[in-house]
Amino acid sequence: AQTVTQSQPEMSVQEAETVTLSCTYDTSENNYYLFWYKQPPSRQMILVIRQEAYKQQNATENRFSVNFQKAAKSFSLKISDSQLGDTAMYFCAFGSGGGADGLTFGKGTHLIIQP
Amino acid sequence: EPEVTQTPSHQVTQMGQEVILRCVPISNHLYFYWYRQILGQKVEFLVSFYNNEISEKSEIFDDQFSVERPDGSNFTLKIRSTKLEDSAMYFCASSEVGAVLDTQYFGPGTRLTVL
Repeated sequence: AQTVTQSQPEMSVQEAETVTLSCTYDTSENNYYLFWYKQPPSRQMILVIRQEAYKQQNATENRFSVNFQKAAKSFSLKISDSQLGDTAMYFCAFGSGGGADGLTFGKGTHLIIQP
Repeated sequence: EPEVTQTPSHQVTQMGQEVILRCVPISNHLYFYWYRQILGQKVEFLVSFYNNEISEKSEIFDDQFSVERPDGSNFTLKIRSTKLEDSAMYFCASSEVGAVLDTQYFGPGTRLTVL
C-alpha cells in the first residue's frame, strides 16, 4: 500500500513571497502519478498540478512548480509570488495501478498568505 | 469548461435513515469515484466505478454503501442506514480513462450531517 506524508500541518508567509510545501511518499510501484490539490474554504478540491513519474522534467503551471525527486520519493510544491487567494489546504496525492485505483492523499498543509 | 457537479450541497439526516448523494460526472469520462473527508482529516477513497460495475473499493466501503449509475449521466452513492460517523464531506470525481493515465476531477462535494 502507498503512503503519502505531508510533514507541515500549517505554513504562513507574506504575500508575494515564495513558499515550498513538502510531500514524501512510499511505494513499490514504478509507474505512477503525483498530484497537488488545493482546497479553499469552500472545500472544493481543485487540481493544481500533476507529475508523471516517468518524466524527469518537473511540471510547471504558471506560479506553481514541483520539485520531483523520484529516488528520494519526494514531491514538493513551490508557489512563487504568493497571492491572498492561494490561502487554502493543499493536499499531495498519489495515483497508480492499471485500473481505477483511488488516489491516496496526505493529511494536507494549511497555507496562509498574510497581506 | 466541463465540470463535475454534485447535489445536494448539504444534506442533513437522522441516524438510521437512508441517503442518496448524486453526482453528474464530466460527460466523456468513463471512470467515476467517491471519496469522503471527515472534518479536519484527509480525503479517503471509497470506491471506483467503471462499465457499470465497481472496479475498486476501500475497507471503508462496507455493506451499508452502494453505488449506481441509474442513467447515462448520474452517478449515485447510497448509504442505507446512516451512522453519526458518516458525517463528512463526500466528493465525487471522474476521469477520462482511469488512474495512472489520467487526472481525476473533483466535484464541489456534498456535506452530509447525521444527527
